[in-house]
Amino acid sequence: AQKITQTQPGMFVQEKEAVTLDCTYDTSDQSYGLFWYKQPSSGEMIFLIYQGSYDEQNATEGRYSLNFQKARKSANLVISASQLGDSAMYFCAMRVFSTGANSKLTFGKGITLSVRP
Amino acid sequence: DAGVTQSPTHLIKTRGQQVTLRCSPKSGHDTVSWYQQALGQGPQFIFQYYEEEERQRGNFPDRFSGHQFPNYSSELNVNALLLGDSALYLCATASGTAADTQYFGPGTRLTVL
Repeated sequence: AQKITQTQPGMFVQEKEAVTLDCTYDTSDQSYGLFWYKQPSSGEMIFLIYQGSYDEQNATEGRYSLNFQKARKSANLVISASQLGDSAMYFCAMRVFSTGANSKLTFGKGITLSVRP
Repeated sequence: DAGVTQSPTHLIKTRGQQVTLRCSPKSGHDTVSWYQQALGQGPQFIFQYYEEEERQRGNFPDRFSGHQFPNYSSELNVNALLLGDSALYLCATASGTAADTQYFGPGTRLTVL
């Protein structure tokens, strides 16, 4: 079974500063993918970034980067130059590929990020 | 390029009733997954449909059932509603032929009174 752990309480960051959201995971599979999604108050889950377990480089997408430390089983999201619109819930999720290319996503409980002006 | 759409946006039902939620996938996607997100929690996987068949199922009772149509759209049916079924129901779609990112719809917020 897979497990995602997000234990940070609500996070606060000043506008234009960087923030790191923590995620640890647990799986016995060797082939898996890690995702971060953003969920504003409207409810829609917005895909931010993906990291494959065999990717050698950390993933980056614009202001988002994923600090992947495989040995520590962590996949922290770094948001640079925070904007007011970044205020939302952030979810870390995992998929293992042993059960199929489009197997289910397992989510953590999420972290609330508030950006202060 | 139309994204994932879901209907209705909001729904209010009473205990014991039945409900049907609908999802239309993003263009080019043929795999539909359904998730239940209770307030303050992460989404929980209900089941996935591909080629009009249920391919995977999470830990949900048989009261939760689904269907996928030839045009890849999908329905989620919940029978004998309980108060605990109140949640945001999210549909996610992807291409079944590749390890693709799942894209989510805006969700249907179900309230059971």
